[in-house]
Amino acid sequence: QQQVKQSPQSLIVQKGGIPIINCAYENTAFDYFPWYQQFPGKGPALLIAIRPDVSEKKEGRFTISFNKSAKQFSLHIMDSQPGDSATYFCAASWHGSSNTGKLIFGQGTTLQVKP
Amino acid sequence: DTEVTQTPKHLVMGMTNKKSLKCEQHMGHRAMYWYKQKAKKPPELMFVYSYEKLSINESVPSRFSPECPNSSLLNLHLHALQPEDSALYLCASSQVGVDTIYFGEGSWLTVV
Repeated sequence: QQQVKQSPQSLIVQKGGIPIINCAYENTAFDYFPWYQQFPGKGPALLIAIRPDVSEKKEGRFTISFNKSAKQFSLHIMDSQPGDSATYFCAASWHGSSNTGKLIFGQGTTLQVKP
Repeated sequence: DTEVTQTPKHLVMGMTNKKSLKCEQHMGHRAMYWYKQKAKKPPELMFVYSYEKLSINESVPSRFSPECPNSSLLNLHLHALQPEDSALYLCASSQVGVDTIYFGEGSWLTVV
């Protein structure tokens, strides 16, 4: 129940394409769903996040779609660029003093955007 | 650029050595974390400090010893590590009770 399942494991798109990364969860107590972007040799950087009361959130070229009934959420990258090539992690967490900082991560998706 | 600063960026240590990883943040966050990340894997939580007190220890071996001297600093003391402890060690911080967590660049640790 604590797992977050992420797919695909790797993804290759052409420049300008719209890669989509999907995540699914079981624990209905999760109430915060961030996406992190990680470049080789760097720490994860918070990209965008959503809560279950919102079905979609956009920040620049990045969009999260959230389906509460299906317990799924996805990241869309519009007009993808070679500079977007990185590993993307979805994550989930829930409120509670004992859970502070406990992000449950998906296994990651390595994205390559070809010029 | 991240506002969580970690030093050193790279560390090579023998199995009998004692070393420390350091982390500093000036965002006024009162929750700080240590995560461990192996190659091609997601980060895994090790420790959480809330208001400078250890609040979560994810059953981490005692050869890893965290310390939070003040609200801006977090250390991870390393002793008698094993080669399988080689990984990227990430420090992170957040406001207590707030979900948004910011990671540092990490310290690459190699145990030989």
